[in-house]
Amino acid sequence: GQQLNQSPQSMFIQEGEDVSMNCTSSSIFNTWLWYKQDPGEGPVLLIALYKAGELTSNGRLTAQFGITRKDSFLNISASIPSDVGIYFCAGTNSGYALNFGKGTSLLVTP
Amino acid sequence: NAGVTQTPKFRVLKTGQSMTLLCAQDMNHEYMYWYRQDPGMGLRLIHYSVGEGTTAKGEVPDGYNVSRLKKQNFLLGLESAAPSQTSVYFCASSPGQGRPLTETQYFGPGTRLLVL
Repeated sequence: GQQLNQSPQSMFIQEGEDVSMNCTSSSIFNTWLWYKQDPGEGPVLLIALYKAGELTSNGRLTAQFGITRKDSFLNISASIPSDVGIYFCAGTNSGYALNFGKGTSLLVTP
Repeated sequence: NAGVTQTPKFRVLKTGQSMTLLCAQDMNHEYMYWYRQDPGMGLRLIHYSVGEGTTAKGEVPDGYNVSRLKKQNFLLGLESAAPSQTSVYFCASSPGQGRPLTETQYFGPGTRLLVL
């Protein structure tokens, strides 16, 4: 599979702060996805992006599909304790074979 | 709707033993997948199926076999377990009919496997 580089690896922030993370690839993708995994659970889809330059929001989460189609960004505004978890980016061209990043671990202190 | 369920939740095997992991979905999805997740790694695709009776290899298929005899079930088999197969295994399913549905994969809670 294609290698996705996700950064940062981990973040430790205070409640109320904004969070930014990104994902880059050596190859272009037609679709970028962002998942969240809570401890002991499977990943849950947060946002799907289908077009270069697209900006999509889901509540306090906003994700962007990079213009080059080789990167994507996820922002979380006004973080809360339940935002804790691991955030994964994934890219695909086939529609079913997802290439995952290694994840960004987010810790939020009250 | 239970969504995607996996059995068992946790298992310990000795090297060389065999076992089958069961995944079931009640959403009438066409596509099903098996991933493994290792510490500090993203999920890597082992095998997938685009319909009943069909299977295909993913990124890391060696040492695993799969079967999809019924649309709602996807089985992952380890014929001779090795310590390198210690991992958390996730099953997922997706509707499989055109964008955006194919990318919307729903994951099960995972099976934690330890091979001694």
